[in-house]
Amino acid sequence: EVQLVESGGGFVQPGRSLRLSCAASGFTFDDYAMHWVRQAPGKGLEWVSGISWNSGSIAYADSVKGRFTISRDNAKNSLYLQINSLTPEDTALYYCAKVPYASGSLTGPFDYWGQGTLVTVSS
Amino acid sequence: QSVLTQPPSVSGAPGQRVTISCTGSSSNIGAGFVVHWYQQLPGTAPKLLIYDDNNRPSGVPGRFSGSKSGTSASLAITGLQAEDEADYYCQSYDSSLSGSLYVFGTGTKVSVL
Repeated sequence: EVQLVESGGGFVQPGRSLRLSCAASGFTFDDYAMHWVRQAPGKGLEWVSGISWNSGSIAYADSVKGRFTISRDNAKNSLYLQINSLTPEDTALYYCAKVPYASGSLTGPFDYWGQGTLVTVSS
Repeated sequence: QSVLTQPPSVSGAPGQRVTISCTGSSSNIGAGFVVHWYQQLPGTAPKLLIYDDNNRPSGVPGRFSGSKSGTSASLAITGLQAEDEADYYCQSYDSSLSGSLYVFGTGTKVSVL
């Protein structure tokens, strides 16, 4: 059974940093591209970043470029999102998600999602 | 921030057919990029409902169908059921120089009367 479990969220002050993690199981992690998607409270979905199976292709939403860094450790079946210079606008539930195609492509639908980790930015 | 526009809400009686539109532009849906649809039940993570315009993953009921034409896509739910009450999002890709690789729709809340 595919499982994606996010962690690392919390209550932080503006300007601080956080590192989110996503532990994957139930599939061959290093075969698939992975992504982060966030959802502000009561709002819609926003794609944040994606990384290919071998970290060779990485993409970010314009809204987070320069502040967010996506990475993965295939040996640990884990995906990460480093978030710097947090602002209240980053307050959201952060989901990790996988694509269904075992290829080098970054793109594809998100066939499995975790339950999310909540990041709250406030002074 | 969303570049795909959906109606905020649609509603229908049990058994009826409802459709949700997803309107994009020449840099996303109109460029030929595929559209995916997700269902988000209250308090849960999104679930893939339709992929590559009109394909259903295993386990998704046949009453859900997708279509695409020009710069728009649609999700249809035939034989609406109480359990279909949820938020629905379309998703595609964008080729504009600035912006995001992936784009989501604004979301539509489906209510069953």
